[in-house]
Amino acid sequence: KNQVEQSPQSLIILEGKNCTLQCNYTVSPFSNLRWYKQDTGRGPVSLTIMTFSENTKSNGRYTATLDADTKQSSLHITASQLSDSASYICVVSVGNMLTFGGGTRLMVKP
Amino acid sequence: DVKVTQSSRYLVKRTGEKVFLECVQDMDHENMFWYRQDPGLGLRLIYFSYDVKMKEKGDIPEGYSVSREKKERFSLILESASTNQTSMYLCASSLTGYLEQYFGPGTRLTVT
Repeated sequence: KNQVEQSPQSLIILEGKNCTLQCNYTVSPFSNLRWYKQDTGRGPVSLTIMTFSENTKSNGRYTATLDADTKQSSLHITASQLSDSASYICVVSVGNMLTFGGGTRLMVKP
Repeated sequence: DVKVTQSSRYLVKRTGEKVFLECVQDMDHENMFWYRQDPGLGLRLIYFSYDVKMKEKGDIPEGYSVSREKKERFSLILESASTNQTSMYLCASSLTGYLEQYFGPGTRLTVT
């Protein structure tokens, strides 16, 4: 069973709208959590990284939040653009090992 | 900027063929990784290397081997390709540890 679960699996929104992607994890002990963006046919690119002591981290229109008590993270995208269409992957590290979520496929339509 | 390149974007091979996937990074990174990515399963670590000629098995090493003769190059080898190895293969590198990983563009391998 994957220890990092993402929801929804896919999402379609209109350009300009906001959206929130969810990541729940069960891995422990927890070191840090990273969100990656993966464009179709490309490798993942890092968006944010948070340690267990951080609650929020922003990167432009992307804001990640972390609740280490409930083991939940979210990625909020503000004022979506067509270029936001991609897969978003949540990655949790335990010591030196990384556990990847299955990703959320986001499609932004004009 | 870190640049990680992979030898092919798309590859089609026949069952039983020996397949080589090459990865090169230009930032003098110590660590290099090979993952495969399948729908719904996320990225899974096949092998990683923390130094030249050193290698460690990841979560799914069966059916694969690797070679790291030079620091900048990490090769993934499928000794006898099978249809269940049809997948997207991603190479990554990092300077230290396993956290700040930079990914290549991926190779979409189809085994028929």
